[in-house]
Amino acid sequence: QVHLVQSGAEVKKPGASVKVSCKASGYTFTSYGFSWVRQAPGQGLEWMGWISVANGNTNYAQKLQGRVTMTTETSTSTAYMELRSLRSDDTAVYYCARNHNEFSASPLDYWGQGTLVTVSS
Amino acid sequence: QSALTQPASVSGSPGQSITISCTGTSSDVGSYNLVSWYQHHPGKAPKLMIYEVSKRPSGVSNRFSGSTSGNTASLTISGLQAEDEADYYCCSYAGSSTHVFGTGTKVTVL
Repeated sequence: QVHLVQSGAEVKKPGASVKVSCKASGYTFTSYGFSWVRQAPGQGLEWMGWISVANGNTNYAQKLQGRVTMTTETSTSTAYMELRSLRSDDTAVYYCARNHNEFSASPLDYWGQGTLVTVSS
Repeated sequence: QSALTQPASVSGSPGQSITISCTGTSSDVGSYNLVSWYQHHPGKAPKLMIYEVSKRPSGVSNRFSGSTSGNTASLTISGLQAEDEADYYCCSYAGSSTHVFGTGTKVTVL
């Protein structure tokens, strides 16, 4: 069965960077895309971006352009999301999610457990 | 990209049917039959309930159904059960490999 296991909670200072990992198992890693979604406290879900595992193509939410980088490592079936120049409003639970197929337009059929990132001085 | 608009809350008694609306624009909901719905119990991972407007993933109850009309998508839960109490989010493909989520709806079973 499909499992996505994310790295643990992080506390960062404003201006720092954070890199969240998401280890996949139970399926052929390179046959599906990955997306990242976050939820700030008391807020709704926010789509952050997508990466093709097959060729590394990415697309990011406009508001995060220049601060976010999504990558994958096929040797370990792990996806990564790095967010730089952290601000207090980046405090959120970050989720990785598998796209239903290799295409960016597909829905998110399996999700990680979430990683809380707290940005505080 | 602005979030899709959902009602903040919807409630119903056990056994009743409720419908959650999700209003977008001609650039997202109105342009693509690629609306999905997610159920989110606080503290847990979201769960895909509906995709491509009206398709149900394997294992999702047929009490959940979806539809669209113009720029508005809808999720209907029939035969409401206590376990359906959760937050629900719509999500639409918005072109150029981007997606946009709805504002979220809290469903309360009275």
